Amino acid sequence: EAGVAQSPRYKIIEKRQSVAFWCNPISGHATLYWYQQILGQGPKLLIQFQNNGVVDDSQLPKDRFSAERLKGVDSTLKIQPAKLEDSAVYLCASSRTEAFFGQGTRLTVV
Amino acid sequence: QKEVEQNSGPLSVPEGAIASLNCTYSDRGSQSFFWYRQYSGKSPELIMSIYSNGDKEDGRFTAQLNKASQYVSLLIRDSQPSDSATYLCAVRNAGGTSYGKLTFGQGTILTVHP
Repeated sequence: EAGVAQSPRYKIIEKRQSVAFWCNPISGHATLYWYQQILGQGPKLLIQFQNNGVVDDSQLPKDRFSAERLKGVDSTLKIQPAKLEDSAVYLCASSRTEAFFGQGTRLTVV
Repeated sequence: QKEVEQNSGPLSVPEGAIASLNCTYSDRGSQSFFWYRQYSGKSPELIMSIYSNGDKEDGRFTAQLNKASQYVSLLIRDSQPSDSATYLCAVRNAGGTSYGKLTFGQGTILTVHP
């Protein structure tokens, strides 16, 4: 069974630029999560989808972050404009009962 | 109060010893509990899940859950240097359904020294 796929693996951008991350969950997993993990901290939930509907986005900075999950499968997370404090690893996970993570995207904002 | 709190680390144990990692949570409605291992520069990897009170054993790992005390722990027996990693406790609310919010603690760094 293929795991959660994320791309790109690494991204370096200048502040105020935009960036997008892509996630393809494990087949059949209705729940998809996007987390932000800053070095030395635990993952922080940004947004959770159940199929293509949003279950929780209470910690998503909506003035700059957006996410969508079209057709209840793939998902994209976008940041526009990026700030220095957005430098982190962005993790995608999918779940049926247990959540499994992709390899993550390491974003550096300079 | 943080939703999920883990004992402050780092935790250092000698090879062959038992490592004990602890976690408390604030939402009494939480139903599902997980331990993840995260090596430096890697993504979290699920190592244990537990849903009911008591102990659950899997190889050298034992997860313990006490819902009355809102406490979950992970014991690693016969610790090996390869167990050195950050251990993340995760808690999902909403009665066992697949779409409950999954919240993580801050992680505990474990170092097993030869």
